[in-house]
Amino acid sequence: DADVTQTPRNRITKTGKRIMLECSQTKGHDRMYWYRQDPGLGLRLIYYSFDVKDINKGEISDGYSVSRQAQAKFSLSLESAIPNQTALYFCATSFSGANVLTFGAGSRLTVL
Amino acid sequence: AQSVTQPDIHITVSEGASLELRCNYSYGATPYLFWYVQSPGQGLQLLLKYFSGDTLVQGIKGFEAEFKRSQSSFNLRKPSVHWSDAAEYFCAVGVNAGNNRKLIWGLGTSLAVNP
Repeated sequence: DADVTQTPRNRITKTGKRIMLECSQTKGHDRMYWYRQDPGLGLRLIYYSFDVKDINKGEISDGYSVSRQAQAKFSLSLESAIPNQTALYFCATSFSGANVLTFGAGSRLTVL
Repeated sequence: AQSVTQPDIHITVSEGASLELRCNYSYGATPYLFWYVQSPGQGLQLLLKYFSGDTLVQGIKGFEAEFKRSQSSFNLRKPSVHWSDAAEYFCAVGVNAGNNRKLIWGLGTSLAVNP
C-alpha cells in the first residue's frame, strides 16, 4: 500500500456540486498539505496542517476548505465547484522540521 | 522577492546523453534546496536535497546536483540518461517563514528522451 493515499484518483463533476478529496497516510507524519497543479503554473499550496488542531491557508485557499479528521487524514472540500477548479490535486505529508515532502499519486478533478 | 526559476520549460535529450537541468533562486540567505521528479500519472518523488555541507549532493536514480552560492543555482545533472528518466522535474527552495520554512516551487522542466 502507498504511504500517502488519495481518493478518488479521478472525478468528473458539474458546476455547483460539492466535492471532497480525501487523503490518508501511514507515514506517521504530523504535517499534511494540499497542493494544486495546473499546466504552466507549477504547484500551488491550498492549505496545510501542522497537526490536528492547526490548519492554515496557503496561497490559493479561496473556494476550498479542509478538515484534519485525525493525524493520518486530511480532506479537501470544494463547496461549490467551478470549472477553473479543474486541476490535478496532490496531498503531501512531512515530518516537522524535515521539509521533505511525501506525495500522494494525485486526484484529477474535472469540473464541467 | 523570493522566487525559483527553471529556465527550460522543455528539454529533449537522446538516451545515453548527459543531462543538466537548471535551477536558479532568489533569496537573501542560504535556502534548503530540493529536486523532485514527477513521472507520468504519478506524484512527486524526492530526488535529492541540500541543507548544508558538501555542495555536491548525490540522489537517487544516478542524479546529482551542485549548489553554487555565487550563482544562486542548484543544477541537476545526470551523466547518462535512460528512457525511464522522461518526466517532469521540479526544483524547490525552502525559505524561512516565521518559525517554519515554506517551499517555493519552480514551474518545472519537462524532459523527453529520444531512443
